[in-house]
Amino acid sequence: SQTIHQWPATLVQPVGSPLSLECTVEGTSNPNLYWYRQAAGRGLQLLFYSVGIGQISSEVPQNLSASRPQDRQFILSSKKLLLSDSGFYLCAWGLRLGGHTEAFFGQGTRLTVV
Amino acid sequence: GQSLEQPSEVTAVEGAIVQINCTYQTSGFYGLSWYQQHDGGAPTFLSYNGLDGLEETGRFSSFLSRSDSYGYLLLQELQMKDSASYFCAVPLYGQNFVFGPGTRLSVLP
Repeated sequence: SQTIHQWPATLVQPVGSPLSLECTVEGTSNPNLYWYRQAAGRGLQLLFYSVGIGQISSEVPQNLSASRPQDRQFILSSKKLLLSDSGFYLCAWGLRLGGHTEAFFGQGTRLTVV
Repeated sequence: GQSLEQPSEVTAVEGAIVQINCTYQTSGFYGLSWYQQHDGGAPTFLSYNGLDGLEETGRFSSFLSRSDSYGYLLLQELQMKDSASYFCAVPLYGQNFVFGPGTRLSVLP
């Protein structure tokens, strides 16, 4: 079966510290992978997406970067966190189902920058 | 560009019917999806409309009109557990999803 793992579930980091969030998927190959951020009570902002190893597209300029070192691994990073980086980070993959593609999300990481 | 619009909040009572509307402006339209997100959780897929008309899945139905660039999610026999945020989304060819801003549904006893 297909699953997506994202960790950690919660994280409190000081301003200026580095960040690394990891997402892995199982039961599929060559998935499209996505990182979204969601501010409290707000919608989903697409940060990065990847269609293959080493292929990263960025949707918005920001203090974050993403990497895809392996087919089923997607990493979100920052060298120095800002207060504005706080939010709920969601990894997702594009799951192909019966003629359309569905976004299948990990459980998310709630990041608080203090 | 791509944009979707939804009402920010909807309130209804248990047992009632509620409709959440979504209008969109996108290029390369391939259909309209709906997602549910409970507080603190991740969004989960509810339904997809690739063609005009109504799709029914239990208490939930979703409708699409391509000519009007409009769709809605209909929730019947509302239950307290339906209190959540609901997002419409457009899957774009190949790579991307664009999500609406979300509608927060509050179900009152």
